[in-house]
Amino acid sequence: QVQLVESGGGLVKPGGSLRLSCAASGFTFSDYYMSWIRQAPGKGLEWVSYISSSSSYTNYADSVKGRFTISRDNAKNSLYLQMNSLRAEDTAVYYCARGLPPFDIWGQGTMVTVSS
Amino acid sequence: QSALTQPASVSGSPGQSITISCTGTSSDVGSYNLVSWYQQHPGKAPKLMIYEGSKRPSGVSNRFSGSKSGNTASLTISGLQAEDEADYYCCSYAGSSSVVFGGGTKLTVL
Repeated sequence: QVQLVESGGGLVKPGGSLRLSCAASGFTFSDYYMSWIRQAPGKGLEWVSYISSSSSYTNYADSVKGRFTISRDNAKNSLYLQMNSLRAEDTAVYYCARGLPPFDIWGQGTMVTVSS
Repeated sequence: QSALTQPASVSGSPGQSITISCTGTSSDVGSYNLVSWYQQHPGKAPKLMIYEGSKRPSGVSNRFSGSKSGNTASLTISGLQAEDEADYYCCSYAGSSSVVFGGGTKLTVL
C-alpha cells in the first residue's frame, strides 16, 4: 500500500546536526513533489520545505532557511532532510508528506529533540 | 509567512453542523484556490480532508465540505459524530513558493 516511513530522529545538542530519511513505497515516487512538515510538542503544524519531483525546485520556511537542506534519491524512493545548526525551537515531530500541498499521504513522523 | 487564523476551539453536539473558519490575506487564501484541510487525532499523523478549497479525496465522508469567500476559507462538518472530535488545520499556498498552515482548531463533540 501507499506508505511513507520516516527515520533518523533522536536527541541532539544545540548546534548539532541530524539527517532525516523518508522511505516511500506503493506509488511512483519520482512523479511527486515531496515535503517536510513539523509539529512542536503541543503546537500546530508548520511547513518546513518541499522539493520538486526532479529535484529542480526546492523551497524552505524562513525559520530553517540556510540551516536545513532537502534532497531526494528517486532511484531509492527516498526523501531526506539534512538539519544543521539545530536549535531548541527545532524540537518537533517531523513528518514527510506527498505533495506541495495538498499533502495527501503522510508518514507517521519522527521525533527530533534538541537539548543539552 | 504569517500563520492563517483559525478559532482555537469549536464544539457541537452529535448530529449538528459546525463550521471552522480560516482567515488569511490577499497574498495567500485570497489569491489561490489552493486551500486544504487536515484532520489530526491525538498521536496520529494528519489526514487530508479537503483540497483545492472544496474537493474531497476518495474515502472522505461527504459530511465534510469546504468553501471560500474572499480571504477566508471554511470547513463545514455536518451530522457531527463522536469520531470527528480532533484537531483541524487549514493550509494554503502563500505565493513566493511558500506554504502556510493555520494555527489549528480543536473540535469537541459534546
